[in-house]
Amino acid sequence: NAGVTQTPKFQVLKTGQSMTLQCAQDMNHNSMYWYRQDPGMGLRLIYYSASEGTTDKGEVPNGYNVSRLNKREFSLRLESAAPSQTSVYFCAISPWSSYEQYFGPGTRLTVT
Amino acid sequence: QQQVKQSPQSLIVQKGGISIINCAYENTAFDYFPWYQQFPGKGPALLIAIRPDVSEKKEGRFTISFNKSAKQFSLHIMDSQPGDSATYFCAARISGAGSYQLTFGKGTKLSVIP
Repeated sequence: NAGVTQTPKFQVLKTGQSMTLQCAQDMNHNSMYWYRQDPGMGLRLIYYSASEGTTDKGEVPNGYNVSRLNKREFSLRLESAAPSQTSVYFCAISPWSSYEQYFGPGTRLTVT
Repeated sequence: QQQVKQSPQSLIVQKGGISIINCAYENTAFDYFPWYQQFPGKGPALLIAIRPDVSEKKEGRFTISFNKSAKQFSLHIMDSQPGDSATYFCAARISGAGSYQLTFGKGTKLSVIP
């Protein structure tokens, strides 16, 4: 997971609380992605940013917002957490047009 | 439609055996088919990838077989080792409007027993 850092590693929230997951890269890649991983569901794309200044919805965007702060950083915000958002969240990066994505170590989020 | 269907959900193979994981897709706009490997507590990492105009790609003990007419592709792990025990995801890439996205299968948990 070198090159992609995610904070925090673990987080427990109560229903209705908000929080921001941070992702930063040092590989100078254009594209950044947020996924959630749930047992038996694979990796599902929440939001992505093809390049600095752009963001787009993925497969499961409801309940989330994102900010591409600069080329290095891409944050995911939960405004009002719900138990259904309990998951492991991965940030990924990739060079422009590449099929290879580099994943961060993940954030394990529990919403009670 | 961007679904990628993966099977089996879990697989147990003896050391030295062949592990086979299958995936199927519907969208003919997919233009790359990578496989990712994930160890517990880690993020997924690219293992091997293939383009749809190639029928087979081999890297070491890992081989992708691709059947374009059937819209199916599979990962073969030869001489499976306990260190191969991990979750494997097939994926398919689609591009559009200046961006590229991967759609992942639901994963196969492989256990290689000594």
